[in-house]
Formats: sequence, C-alpha cells, structure tokens
Amino acid sequence: GQNIDQPTEMTATEGAIVQINCTYQTSGFNGLFWYQQHAGEAPTFLSYNVLDGLEEKGRFSSFLSRSKGYSYLLLKELQMKDSASYLCAVRDWGAAGNKLTFGGGTRVLVKP
Amino acid sequence: DVKVTQSSRYLVKRTGEKVFLECVQDMDHENMFWYRQDPGLGLRLIYFSYDVKMKEKGDIPEGYSVSREKKERFSLILESASTNQTSMYLCASRRFTGAEETQYFGPGTRLLVL
Repeated sequence: GQNIDQPTEMTATEGAIVQINCTYQTSGFNGLFWYQQHAGEAPTFLSYNVLDGLEEKGRFSSFLSRSKGYSYLLLKELQMKDSASYLCAVRDWGAAGNKLTFGGGTRVLVKP
Repeated sequence: DVKVTQSSRYLVKRTGEKVFLECVQDMDHENMFWYRQDPGLGLRLIYFSYDVKMKEKGDIPEGYSVSREKKERFSLILESASTNQTSMYLCASRRFTGAEETQYFGPGTRLLVL
C-alpha cells in the first residue's frame, strides 16, 4: 500500500513564501502530482514530477527526491487567492490502472 | 478545455434510497474515476474504469457500484444509501496514454443522507 503525509494546515502572510512538504512510501513510484482545491470546488492540476529536481511554473515550484520519498510545493509571492487546500498525490506502477493515491491535503491560509 | 460535469451539485436523500450520481466528460478519455472526499481523510478512490464496460474496485468500494455503458459517462450507484455515505463525491477522467497524464475533476456532488 501507500502512505502519504502532509501537514494539515499552514498560515502565511501575503507576499511571503510557503513550502508544503509531502512524504510518501510506495512500492513502485510512477510520479507525484500536486493539486490545488479551493473550498467547495474541484481539485485542479498544478504540477507533476517524476524525476528528481525542481520544476518551476511561475510562482509555483515543485521539488522531488525519489530516494527520500519526499516532495515539496513552493508558493512564492503569496496572494490572497492562494488560500486553498493543496493535495499531494502519488502514482504507483503496481496499482491497477496507474491510479493516484492522495494525501489528506494541506490547508493554506494567506493573511493580509 | 477538458470538461467534466456531474449531474448535481447538491443532493439530499433518505436512508435506504437508491442514489445515482452521473458523470460526463467530453474529451474522449478512456479512464474515469469516482472519489469521495471527507474532512481529515482526503480523497479516497471508490471505483474506476479503464474503458467502456470495464470497472475496477478502488480502496473503498463497499456500498457502491458503478456503470460505464458509454465512454463519456460513468455512473456511481448507492444501492441503499446510509448516513455514513454523506460526503462530497468527485468524478475525474484521464486519457490513457502518457505517464504524466493528469486527472481532470468535475465540480463535485455534495450528498447528504438523512
């Protein structure tokens, strides 16, 4: 099976940087995804990592270390609209249908 | 743009009722998924489908069944609704090809079972 851990909640100030960590254990790693979910809405895709290193997309970056079973999502120049839950999800070669397993999500609150 | 729609945003049902949740995608995706999302538990996979008439159990299939008669439509069925099935239900679809292919989610159906 898979075990995915991320903090439950984080608070940061507008304009600052926040780093959301995700650790995972899986038998056949086949990629890690980050999704953003605003309250009452569907998750939307943010980033994908399958090789070690940093992927940058504007204000958002995602990092992966496969040997450590670790990823983080970095949000820079925080804006009020970034207040949302951020979901880490891992895909496993061994899982039927290459399905994703999600962590519990990290709720980020951005304060003025 | 990928579009995944769900038949209802909010639904109230009584214990013992049969409930149908419909999901439609317009991108010709082979894979479709049903999740439920509960506070503190995150997204949990109920069932998924590789293709038409194909289905596989996810992590929490008990109390649910599914139907995929057409490629664009994936239905989740609660044969006899119970109060512990009160939850947010999210449908997703994905193209089969490519390792980095992501899932696209519908807006969700918030189900309350009384």
